[in-house]
Amino acid sequence: EIVMTQSPATLSVSPGERATLSCRASQSVSTNLAWYQQRPGQSPRLLISDASNRATGIPARFSGSGSGTEFTLTISSLQSEDFAVYYCQQYENWPPLTFGGGTKVEIK
Amino acid sequence: EGQLVESGGGLVQPGGSLRLSCAASGFSFNDDWMSWIRQAPGKGLEWVANIKPDGSQRYYVDSVKGRFTISRDNARNSLYLQMNSLRAEDTAVYYCGRYGRSWILWGQGTLVTVSS
Repeated sequence: EIVMTQSPATLSVSPGERATLSCRASQSVSTNLAWYQQRPGQSPRLLISDASNRATGIPARFSGSGSGTEFTLTISSLQSEDFAVYYCQQYENWPPLTFGGGTKVEIK
Repeated sequence: EGQLVESGGGLVQPGGSLRLSCAASGFSFNDDWMSWIRQAPGKGLEWVANIKPDGSQRYYVDSVKGRFTISRDNARNSLYLQMNSLRAEDTAVYYCGRYGRSWILWGQGTLVTVSS
């Protein structure tokens, strides 16, 4: 099973600032990685697939990078609606499909 | 992208059974893999099961193997999860998802609570 580890668990950021979230895989997943956003009380939504491809309708301030075992989600200028929990997920080798534990982005 | 609507959640005693349903619309349901994903209260996301478009292949997380069964009815654009021998640790919001290597569409979720 591929274990996904996200850091930090909580990130405190001021509106307008840049946020950088990390995700590490226990073995290479190539670029078979997705990022999801989950706002309070809502279902998750896909932000990024294939490590760096924004999903339909996702603003350009969200960007993904990385390959192999190290990945980054960057939010260039945080808006109020971006304060949420973010999850990474690998689909290189399954079953099982696995998620990271999440990073909560909170208002500083 | 479409819409997914789950139903069938509720309170059930340990050892009991429950069947979840997911109604799909707005996309070609019979062309897509489908999934169930769950989230325990205050916790992260956990993949539960996947099913191939024609239903010929099914995959499960180890913790539910032998207890849960994923199925689909392409004529009704519906996905199901039969859950037997339920345990307290199965308590979660259960989401259905349209799977295309990542989950491009999620339902609103249905809460399953296993408690006496």
